[in-house]
Amino acid sequence: DAKTTQPTSMDCAEGRAANLPCNHSTISGNEYVYWYRQIHSQGPQYIIHGLKNNETNEMASLIITEDRKSSTLILPHATLRDTAVYYCIVRVGGGNAGNMLTFGGGTRLMVKP
Amino acid sequence: GAVVSQHPSWVICKSGTSVKIECRSLDFQATTMFWYRQFPKQSLMLMATSNEGSKATYEQGVEKDKFLINHASLTLSTLTVTSAHPEDSSFYICSAPDTVDTQYFGPGTRLTVL
Repeated sequence: DAKTTQPTSMDCAEGRAANLPCNHSTISGNEYVYWYRQIHSQGPQYIIHGLKNNETNEMASLIITEDRKSSTLILPHATLRDTAVYYCIVRVGGGNAGNMLTFGGGTRLMVKP
Repeated sequence: GAVVSQHPSWVICKSGTSVKIECRSLDFQATTMFWYRQFPKQSLMLMATSNEGSKATYEQGVEKDKFLINHASLTLSTLTVTSAHPEDSSFYICSAPDTVDTQYFGPGTRLTVL
């Protein structure tokens, strides 16, 4: 799986958009970008994933650059409950259940009042 | 999204005893499940891949005789920590991929070995 690089930590004001960047310059054509988050003492929670088009769901938006070498996860209106470690993971997707997730250090997002 | 449960959510045991942790996919079937371990202030580390109907695949450095994995059905995988010692104290998390290969994680089991 391609290696990803994320900032170690970020702060965001409550109610503002949180933009979390991720670099994955060695991503392959069949690799997806997945985002998970882990709130303290809980299992990781799936947020969103994409291949090359931008994606949006009820939790977040995922913006992938045209060359696919980087992406940004956007939480449009951050709340205190969004404080967590956010992991950007690149892996082959689409039906191969044998592909596990490899976690890096992630970004520790602190949402402040 | 799909739901994965774990039981127990926490366990305290004496050194030398064995502990079983269950991982269940509640609303989907999973031929493969994954077991991770997470130490304080560290990221998740994959321990093994659990395969329904066949032997588990262990990551390098993980002792298969110490961490027994049984994938008894398409919705249940168990991890047994045998002869647990204080250094096995950790947060154990399982995951399972749904039909479109999105992985969902259980809430984790915190093991404390005294």
